[in-house]
Amino acid sequence: EAGVTQFPSHSVIEKGQTVTLRCDPISGHDNLYWYRRVMGKEIKFLLHFVKESKQDESGMPNNRFLAERTGGTYSTLKVQPAELEDSGVYFCASSPDRGLGKLFFGSGTQLSVL
Amino acid sequence: GQQLNQSPQSMFIQEGEDVSMNCTSSSIFNTWLWYKQDPGEGPVLLIALYKAGELTSNGRLTAQFGITRKDSFLNISASIPSDVGIYFCAGFNSGGSNYKLTFGKGTLLTVNP
Repeated sequence: EAGVTQFPSHSVIEKGQTVTLRCDPISGHDNLYWYRRVMGKEIKFLLHFVKESKQDESGMPNNRFLAERTGGTYSTLKVQPAELEDSGVYFCASSPDRGLGKLFFGSGTQLSVL
Repeated sequence: GQQLNQSPQSMFIQEGEDVSMNCTSSSIFNTWLWYKQDPGEGPVLLIALYKAGELTSNGRLTAQFGITRKDSFLNISASIPSDVGIYFCAGFNSGGSNYKLTFGKGTLLTVNP
């Protein structure tokens, strides 16, 4: 069974540009999450989808971040325009059951904003 | 928001040694989890704890859910080189619309063969 896949694995962009990250969850997992880790700090929650609906987007830093999950399958996270402080590793995770905390993570997208 | 204090930040040990790391919180969690991140990969769940006082093992790993619900520890016995990585604790309270994990900053473990 394929795990959670993320694309791209690395992205280097300049401040002010737009970047779109993609996540394909494990097939059949209704719950999809985005997390971010800034270097040396904790992994922080961004948002949670249940199928195509946003269950909780309390962790989204500001309105430069837009997440979508059309059709309840893959998800995209767009950052527009990117700022220096957006640099970090963006992890996507999925789970079949949201009540246990058992998440399956992708390998992450390393975003560098210069 | 909730914060977890994870210690130590890093450890450098010899192969065969035992390792202990812990996590404390100012607030209560009803679930504690331990994840490991290998270089270039995403975190992978090692152990999940759902009951205060619970002690759970997974091979050479043992974790406990503190009786106050505000702490947890992870022990690794007889370390081997593949134990290298970053270990994260995470607290979780399910309910309402909130199903997010709160992570510690991680413990970087280096094992010298």
